[in-house]
Amino acid sequence: AQSVTQLGSHVSVSEGALVLLRCNYSSSVPPYLFWYVQYPNQGLQLLLKYTSAATLVKGINGFEAEFKKSETSFHLTKPSAHMSDAAEYFCAVSPGSSNTGKLIFGQGTTLQVKP
Amino acid sequence: DAMVIQNPRYQVTQFGKPVTLSCSQTLNHNVMYWYQQKSSQAPKLLFHYYDKDFNNEADTPDNFQSRRPNTSFCFLDIRSPGLGDAAMYLCATRWDLGETQYFGPGTRLLVL
Repeated sequence: AQSVTQLGSHVSVSEGALVLLRCNYSSSVPPYLFWYVQYPNQGLQLLLKYTSAATLVKGINGFEAEFKKSETSFHLTKPSAHMSDAAEYFCAVSPGSSNTGKLIFGQGTTLQVKP
Repeated sequence: DAMVIQNPRYQVTQFGKPVTLSCSQTLNHNVMYWYQQKSSQAPKLLFHYYDKDFNNEADTPDNFQSRRPNTSFCFLDIRSPGLGDAAMYLCATRWDLGETQYFGPGTRLLVL
């Protein structure tokens, strides 16, 4: 069985500060891992994904994440927060090589960026 | 641009009145998903189509049904909406040899 835990339902940072959103997963098979962002009343937009290639993954809007198998983590970071980064962020896991490609989502983290 | 389109973006219906939500895609993906997302919660998978094969999640209520007449279109039918069905409904697509689901903008359903 697979699961995802996002530590911290709300994270608040100042504009220009480091963003760190935490995600831990459990999976009995090699996983694919994803970070999606959701703005109010919008769908989910893919930020980045890990699919067993490089463990440090760079995504859009300056975000990156590092897959750490020993820690079963896939934390999302951005060196300098912008006001436009304020949104809901979801970490998700999918079993690698799965026909269904079903995503298991974490509960989400709301990022607030203060001026 | 290739994309996932959902219509309408906002839908108001009455308690018990059937409603249909629409999803179309220009990505030519063979897998399509429907999710329900309630306020401040993660998306919850209702069902998905792998080509024409329908796959229902075990805990999806019978009140929710789906149709996929062709590769490009998929519909979500709610036979008798209750107040608890008010939510954002998200459609997503995936190419079966790829890993990534691509989401539409969602339809927000309000039940009066």
